[in-house]
Amino acid sequence: DTAVSQTPKYLVTQMGNDKSIKCEQNLGHDTMYWYKQDSKKFLKIMFSYNNKELIINETVPNRFSPKSPDKAHLNLHINSLELGDSAVYFCASRSQGNYGYTFGSGTRLTVV
Amino acid sequence: AQSVTQLDSHVSVSEGTPVLLRCNYSSSYSPSLFWYVQHPNKGLQLLLKYTSAATLVKGINGFEAEFKKSETSFHLTKPSAHMSDAAEYFCVVSGRAGNMLTFGGGTRLMVKP
Repeated sequence: DTAVSQTPKYLVTQMGNDKSIKCEQNLGHDTMYWYKQDSKKFLKIMFSYNNKELIINETVPNRFSPKSPDKAHLNLHINSLELGDSAVYFCASRSQGNYGYTFGSGTRLTVV
Repeated sequence: AQSVTQLDSHVSVSEGTPVLLRCNYSSSYSPSLFWYVQHPNKGLQLLLKYTSAATLVKGINGFEAEFKKSETSFHLTKPSAHMSDAAEYFCVVSGRAGNMLTFGGGTRLMVKP
């Protein structure tokens, strides 16, 4: 299926741990994003990569490090997890010059 | 810079009655605007988008929205609500050249039988 796929779908971990969320798109899109949805459902952009190059980096703690090995993948690594990192993280992709975004189904991260 | 305000955090309607979800935007350029829907514990699905073509935009599942530049609004409507419409709805504005999305705070639509 053509899609934006994220793994894992659910992630429960203890404070202080390091974890990664993976995202892959097979749509041939040039740009990929990470968005965070907090407990009040508010969605905010975190990062954007275009052809493996970081182009948007919002005010996100440097414990969060995106990595794009190729333009079809954008992974999110989080160090020293904190309770406030609990949220749903959405990956998305878009073709350059096109306003159509495709979102993944989200990763629900719970830090205990 | 751009911003989006969804005027109602919760809207409750009876099945079969019209739906109106209100959205106002602010943008320093001609915006592209979207409505996304999120069903419980699900991802984000695009309902419709406005990208400077026709001001009345038709989307999926009978939803439509009208872009009104003079009122800086992009309200979402549906003539007759269905139980399956119960979800969270997000009004979204795109940055210049579509490089990022700015989300409104969301409106939870509840549909009563």
